[in-house]
Amino acid sequence: AQKVTQAQTEISVVEKEDVTLDCVYETRDTTYYLFWYKQPPSGELVFLIRRNSFDEQNEISGRYSWNFQKSTSSFNFTITASQVVDSAVYFCALRDPLQAGTALIFGKGTTLSVSS
Amino acid sequence: DTAVSQTPKYLVTQMGNDKSIKCEQNLGHDTMYWYKQDSKKFLKIMFSYNNKELIINETVPNRFSPKSPDKAHLNLHINSLELGDSAVYFCASSSRGAGELFFGEGSRLTVL
Repeated sequence: AQKVTQAQTEISVVEKEDVTLDCVYETRDTTYYLFWYKQPPSGELVFLIRRNSFDEQNEISGRYSWNFQKSTSSFNFTITASQVVDSAVYFCALRDPLQAGTALIFGKGTTLSVSS
Repeated sequence: DTAVSQTPKYLVTQMGNDKSIKCEQNLGHDTMYWYKQDSKKFLKIMFSYNNKELIINETVPNRFSPKSPDKAHLNLHINSLELGDSAVYFCASSSRGAGELFFGEGSRLTVL
């Protein structure tokens, strides 16, 4: 069965600190996709990144970076120089794309609070 | 134009009532979903439809009935509402395969 674990329930940091959100996944599939979504206090779900299981290259987008390691089944998310606007719930998710209609399996989310 | 739109955004109703939430996507996607987000923010898949065919039907009470009149629409009807049905319900769509899911803004259902 597929499973996503986000062990950190809540993280609090002060602005300009770097913060890493952990994500560990379980799947027996060799082809799969990993995602991160952000849910700000306004409630919408915002797509951040998708990564396929064959691409272990790290990705950087502005202050955001992602580290994918198949050896440890982890897909961690780092925010550099955090800002108050980064305060949100962040979800890691897993999807098996081989069947039509497959869903994202979400972790329980990490609530990030950034104070000024 | 909103890619995935849900109506209503807020719904307050009494126990025992029947209610519906509508969802429409204009992205041309084949697959649509309903997710439930509980008070602890946990997102759980309820249903998925691909080309109007039911693909996923998780352990959801049969008081919940999805209906997909066409590829662009997936509505959720809930009978005999219970207090535990209070949650935010998200509709989403995706292209076939590995694409990300595009979510609607959510519909907050409160059962009194």
